[in-house]
Amino acid sequence: QLQLQESGPGLVKSSETLSLTCTVSGGSIGPSSYYWGWIRQPPGRGLEWIATIYYTGTTYYNPSLKSRVTISIDTSKNQFSLKLTSVTAADTAVYYCARQIFSCSGGTCYPDYFDYWGQGTLVTVSS
Amino acid sequence: SYELTQPPSVSVSPGQTTSITCSGRGLRDKYVSWYQQKPGQSPLLVIYQDSRRPSGIPEQFSGSISGNTAALTISGTQAMDEADYYCQAWDSSTVIFGGGTKLTVL
Repeated sequence: QLQLQESGPGLVKSSETLSLTCTVSGGSIGPSSYYWGWIRQPPGRGLEWIATIYYTGTTYYNPSLKSRVTISIDTSKNQFSLKLTSVTAADTAVYYCARQIFSCSGGTCYPDYFDYWGQGTLVTVSS
Repeated sequence: SYELTQPPSVSVSPGQTTSITCSGRGLRDKYVSWYQQKPGQSPLLVIYQDSRRPSGIPEQFSGSISGNTAALTISGTQAMDEADYYCQAWDSSTVIFGGGTKLTVL
């Protein structure tokens, strides 16, 4: 059974960098046909996608966060990571990592739905 | 930017059938997924590629798409189905989530 586990500081100071790691167990992060993503959810609010990565290093970013976000992957450790710079209170959220499955349509394949999710980790940005 | 629109809330009586909609420009040309999220839990995939059900998801959950509106239908709704539901699609190299719908079983 595939498992994903987020880890990192639960408290980050405003203007600093948020760093999280997702450790995958029960399956290989790469080479594989899966993508890996980060999603967050501010308290009481909806889901917001942050970024996606493939084991080859191909990345996709939410345009609204792209200037502050870096997603990376370490296949030797079966981990992928997230860095979010210059955080503010608006970045306070539960951060989830998830496995993303690709779909193909019209001859094009792309990362699509998330089938396995981590339990999530709350990151609070303090002033 | 692309948007997926869901009703904020839907109510249903136990045992009844209910649908949650998700609308977006050109949605008919995209695949839609649906997630169930109960308080304090991670989202759970219940429908992918418009109408496919992952292993372990009960048949009471079904998905469909008509025009630019996708729908998640829950038949024989039970108290345990009370949750937030999110639709999701891929557009212009980005993942888009709908705003979420709170399903209340009265």
